[in-house]
Amino acid sequence: GESVGLHLPTLSVQEGDNSIINCAYSNSASDYFIWYKQESGKGPQFIIDIRSNMDKRQGQRVTVLLNKTVKHLSLQIAATQPGDSAVYFCAENEGSSNTGKLIFGQGTTLQVKP
Amino acid sequence: GAGVSQTPSNKVTEKGKYVELRCDPISGHTALYWYRQSLGQGPEFLIYFQGTGAADDSGLPNDRFFAVRPEGSVSTLKIQRTERGDSAVYLCASSPLAGFTDTQYFGPGTRLTVL
Repeated sequence: GESVGLHLPTLSVQEGDNSIINCAYSNSASDYFIWYKQESGKGPQFIIDIRSNMDKRQGQRVTVLLNKTVKHLSLQIAATQPGDSAVYFCAENEGSSNTGKLIFGQGTTLQVKP
Repeated sequence: GAGVSQTPSNKVTEKGKYVELRCDPISGHTALYWYRQSLGQGPEFLIYFQGTGAADDSGLPNDRFFAVRPEGSVSTLKIQRTERGDSAVYLCASSPLAGFTDTQYFGPGTRLTVL
């Protein structure tokens, strides 16, 4: 079936380094993608999103890249800080369904070492 | 409040009991979503409301699960005859409109434990 998944369950980086979190999706009909950050005991927090008509979008310290050819999504975090430690989820929405129903991947845990 | 709130934050119940979980969305948000998150997994969609009506309930696992939003604001997720497999964090989200690109803002969740 269609699914969204992440390549690595845990990513450990040194404070100040850049982080790259990857995500693969299989539903070619998906046209909206979102990255969420979830800290322990809290709900997911929106980070950045991208439409399928774009291949790159930048925010504050974060960049999302979309490669529709290989159905791959990545989140880049610049100058990673201890406060970035959390679980990161990619999510997709099939726009043709015209609802906000999101399909989440399993998540990647980001550990930032001081 | 400024964000989505959910009550209770924790709920422990016994197998077979009935539970209600409450969600207060951000004021003025039209769309409301319920998700369920098992340990170590991403959230799974349950149901979505546009106003008072359930526009998509395809994620509800079975007829023991039911949700309402009678006045288009607060929503209650109801689970009958709870089973141990229902143990999870139940997340609520709301967005200004029901469009698929509208940002969904999540609450902190209710952790349900069925003994």
